[in-house]
Amino acid sequence: DTGVSQDPRHKITKRGQNVTFRCDPISEHNRLYWYRQTLGQGPEFLTYFQNEAQLEKSRLLSDRFSAERPKGSFSTLEIQRTEQGDSAMYLCASSLDRGIGYEQYFGPGTRLTVT
Amino acid sequence: EDKVVQSPLSLVVHEGDTVTLNCSYEVTNFRSLLWYKQEKKAPTFLFMLTSSGIEKKSGRLSSILDKKELSSILNITATQTGDSAIYLCAVGGAAGNKLTFGGGTRVLVKP
Repeated sequence: DTGVSQDPRHKITKRGQNVTFRCDPISEHNRLYWYRQTLGQGPEFLTYFQNEAQLEKSRLLSDRFSAERPKGSFSTLEIQRTEQGDSAMYLCASSLDRGIGYEQYFGPGTRLTVT
Repeated sequence: EDKVVQSPLSLVVHEGDTVTLNCSYEVTNFRSLLWYKQEKKAPTFLFMLTSSGIEKKSGRLSSILDKKELSSILNITATQTGDSAIYLCAVGGAAGNKLTFGGGTRVLVKP
């Protein structure tokens, strides 16, 4: 399977704990995106990478959130000191920048529940 | 701030009916509009529309972009129960990097 993969698929954690999610994009894609989706809403942009460079971060991404893509391949999203409001589906997507417009392909998501 | 609004919020139809979903947007330096289908998992890509490609069709699904009206429609003909899902509209603008999504339209197709 050459699609976007995410791990874990589900994570339950207690408030105040740190969590880390991983995303493996489609292999030839140079752009990787993180989104967050809550029930009944469309996905909201969090951050994106072009190769290993993080080029944009949303205002939604507080200082408790950090993302990396160290070698321009897989990416990690860490949330420190989790809060109940962080409960959501965290989606990763990747695309190949062809300059005109580009479709983003999504992974299965990591569902985070903070108790 | 970029904005995408979808309508209706939800609809219920019977198999064989045709549905039309609407998406309107406000975006800085529009580059593309995308439609996704979301069942109980991540969004699945359907179409991408740009200034150079304002109509797309795949099987029973088709979509048109109206750049003058800043809107798009997604049509599904001869609906099937497998079409039941949330349909998401998203636009890429400005640097063309991030997508701004609407809230989605929930479609339920009854047998």
